[in-house]
Amino acid sequence: KNQVEQSPQSLIILEGKNCTLQCNYTVSPFSNLRWYKQDTGRGPVSLTIMTFSENTKSNGRYTATLDADTKQSSLHITASQLSDSASYICVVGSRTGGSYIPTFGRGTSLIVHP
Amino acid sequence: DAGVTQSPTHLIKTRGQQVTLRCSPKSGHDTVSWYQQALGQGPQFIFQYYEEEERQRGNFPDRFSGHQFPNYSSELNVNALLLGDSALYLCASSLGSTETQYFGPGTRLLVL
Repeated sequence: KNQVEQSPQSLIILEGKNCTLQCNYTVSPFSNLRWYKQDTGRGPVSLTIMTFSENTKSNGRYTATLDADTKQSSLHITASQLSDSASYICVVGSRTGGSYIPTFGRGTSLIVHP
Repeated sequence: DAGVTQSPTHLIKTRGQQVTLRCSPKSGHDTVSWYQQALGQGPQFIFQYYEEEERQRGNFPDRFSGHQFPNYSSELNVNALLLGDSALYLCASSLGSTETQYFGPGTRLLVL
């Protein structure tokens, strides 16, 4: 069964600090890995996407890494802002029968305090 | 260029009732996927529609059914509602079998 596990479940940091979120997966066959940001009550918005051959991808203050050998990914947020408070979801995609099916993690809830 | 839209935004139903949720995909997209997101959980894949047919289905009972129309919009129907069906229902659209999905704002369903 394809699974995506994220840690920590929740995180509280002070504005301006850095943080790193973790994602471990068992998805086969692997197609890509995305990190999404989801504000409360809204749909997820894609931050980064990485394929098997990519091991790092940046989007402004967000930097994602991928280790396809250990099946681990991380999302590093630099100089956090209050607007970074949200749920961050790791999604691993798989292709089956010509269709693309994503498996979602439960997300890490990040709260940034002033 | 309108993104993915969903209606209604909120809905309250009682156990045993039936509900229909609607989704209009992003302009140019022809594939619609539906997800259920319980509070504090990640989205769970329900099913995906392409060319008016269900192409893939997640681990959801037959009470969950859908439809895609010729204009690519889609409906999610849930029969015999249970308390556990209370969740945020997300619709995502994409083009064919491409992997970039755009999510709508969701419909929050509360079953009493």
